[in-house]
Amino acid sequence: RKEVEQDPGPFNVPEGATVAFNCTYSNSASQSFFWYRQDCRKEPKLLMSVYSSGNEDGRFTAQLNRASQYISLLIRDSKLSDSATYLCVVSRNNNDMRFGAGTRLTVKP
Amino acid sequence: EAGVAQSPRYKIIEKRQSVAFWCNPISGHATLYWYQQILGQGPKLLIQFQNNGVVDDSQLPKDRFSAERLKGVDSTLKIQPAKLEDSAVYLCASSPFPTPGLAGGGGRNEQFFGPGTRLTVL
Repeated sequence: RKEVEQDPGPFNVPEGATVAFNCTYSNSASQSFFWYRQDCRKEPKLLMSVYSSGNEDGRFTAQLNRASQYISLLIRDSKLSDSATYLCVVSRNNNDMRFGAGTRLTVKP
Repeated sequence: EAGVAQSPRYKIIEKRQSVAFWCNPISGHATLYWYQQILGQGPKLLIQFQNNGVVDDSQLPKDRFSAERLKGVDSTLKIQPAKLEDSAVYLCASSPFPTPGLAGGGGRNEQFFGPGTRLTVL
């Protein structure tokens, strides 16, 4: 079983739609959680950290469920510029990072 | 602020040849990572340095891959000899000395990635 698993997609949604991505992790000792965004042929960039209480940044909402070892990312009012691959990242000790394979999102006009 | 620099950007070699990649992290960042990203997959951590010491190299294929970070700044990653399955993008990332995570997760240990080196092994 992979340490971090994501639905690979692709998710094809119209502009303005709400879309949710899920991620599960296998190591219960994991402590830190992140969502990174990676555009085609570009390097990953941090989108947001994920906190136990859930957190929101504009149109993006991240949730963590430790009991189920599950992380989610919700994007509201999708924009064309949101088209990218979204990588779920889990860290055990704030040093090492384990990336999921990513979920590809395409937002269409 | 200058970002993470990597060179070369592209490299094409034949199998069994050797290749080296170079990374210059953001100034002052203590932690440096090398990742391998195969097409369609997420980045896979190969090795992590904190200053010039190795923190994690559990996923580094040590029979052919080696890395060093002399003086705790620049780093090089070498593959010798290369195999076809080594074709990938090699990403270097750096982060400031990690601070303890907030209770419940979500530590602010952001990694800043370089543009990567795209390696093709023929």
